This record gives sequence, C-alpha cells and structure tokens, in this order.
Amino acid sequence: AQSVTQLDSQVPVFEEAPVELRCNYSSSVSVYLFWYVQYPNQGLQLLLKYLSGSTLVESINGFEAEFNKSQTSFHLRKPSVHISDTAEYFCAVKETSGSRLTFGEGTQLTVNP
Amino acid sequence: DVKVTQSSRYLVKRTGEKVFLECVQDMDHENMFWYRQDPGLGLRLIYFSYDVKMKEKGDIPEGYSVSREKKERFSLILESASTNQTSMYLCASSLEWTAGAFFGQGTRLTVV
Repeated sequence: AQSVTQLDSQVPVFEEAPVELRCNYSSSVSVYLFWYVQYPNQGLQLLLKYLSGSTLVESINGFEAEFNKSQTSFHLRKPSVHISDTAEYFCAVKETSGSRLTFGEGTQLTVNP
Repeated sequence: DVKVTQSSRYLVKRTGEKVFLECVQDMDHENMFWYRQDPGLGLRLIYFSYDVKMKEKGDIPEGYSVSREKKERFSLILESASTNQTSMYLCASSLEWTAGAFFGQGTRLTVV
C-alpha cells in the first residue's frame, strides 16, 4: 500500500531564507506526486505536481520540487521565502493505476520577519 | 473553475446522533473523496468513490459510511456520532489526475 512521510512537522525560517520541506513516499508501483498548500482558514490548493517527464517541477510562486525515484522522495524547495508563504504544506501520492490519494502528516512552514 | 461545495462550514452535534455531511461538485468528476484532518495527523482518507454507487474504504472507515447516488454528490454519514469524531472533514473530487484533486472548504464538526 502507498504511504507518505513528511519528515518535519514544523519548519520556522526567516524571510528571504531558503527552505526545504521533505517528503518521502512508499509504493511498489509507479506514482503521481503532489504538493498542496493550506493557508490559514482556507481550503487546500494544489501547489505543484509530478506526473511524468522532467523530474523537476515548478509552481507559479517560486516553489519547486524534484522527484527522486531512487530515494523515493519529492522534496519541496524555495530559494527565498516570503511572509505570505506561511502555511501548512501537504505532500500526497497516488499510484498511477488506482484512485486512492494518500496524504502525509503536513509541515507547518512559518516565515518570520 | 471547479467548485466543490460542502453543505456546512461548522456543525455541532450530540453524541449518538446520526450525522450527514454533504458534498457537491460541479465538474462531472468521476472520483470523490472524504478525508478528516487532525493536527499532526494530516489528512486521513475515510472513503472514496470512483463512480456512482461505487465506493471503497480508505484508511479509517470505522464509524462512517458513504452514499453516492448521483455523480455530483458524495455524502458522508456518521452512524452514531462520538466525541472522537470531532474533526475537520474535507471533501475532494478529481477527474483527470493531470489536474490533481479539488477540495471543498471543509466542515468543522464538533460532537458534544
């Protein structure tokens, strides 16, 4: 069965610092991978996704994630964060042949001035 | 834009009550999901449905059931609400996985 582990429950950083949110998954078959973001008091929004092709995927607001099949990881990075990036971030996995979408425990990113 | 609408933002129910949470999507999506979100535990899948009248158990189905009589509507039923079912409940839908899943705003259920 597929599973997702987010290695950090809380990540505090200062504004303009780089950040990495770590995600590892487990599956015996090929997968799709997603990062979702939840801003305070809002619903979940898709941030970026890996379906196939290039292992480096980017979002419109400067985040990127790299699919590493050998390490079964899909870490999220941003070279310089803003206060407005403060949110909870969720990694999710779906096997390409199924319908089940499984989420990790979430990482609370707090950007301080 | 895809819209996933959950019928209530906040709900307070008594222990033992039968509770219905409704979710409607407007984009003819095949797949629909119910999750509960608890601090430190992320989103845990309760049930999902990949077609009308088709459903599969997720990771934590105990104490819940679902109904999907029409493609656009997916209902979560708490047969006899208990205090440990106090949580945020999120509904989602998806069609093509190239677009990911779309989430509703959530229903915060408190069982007293």
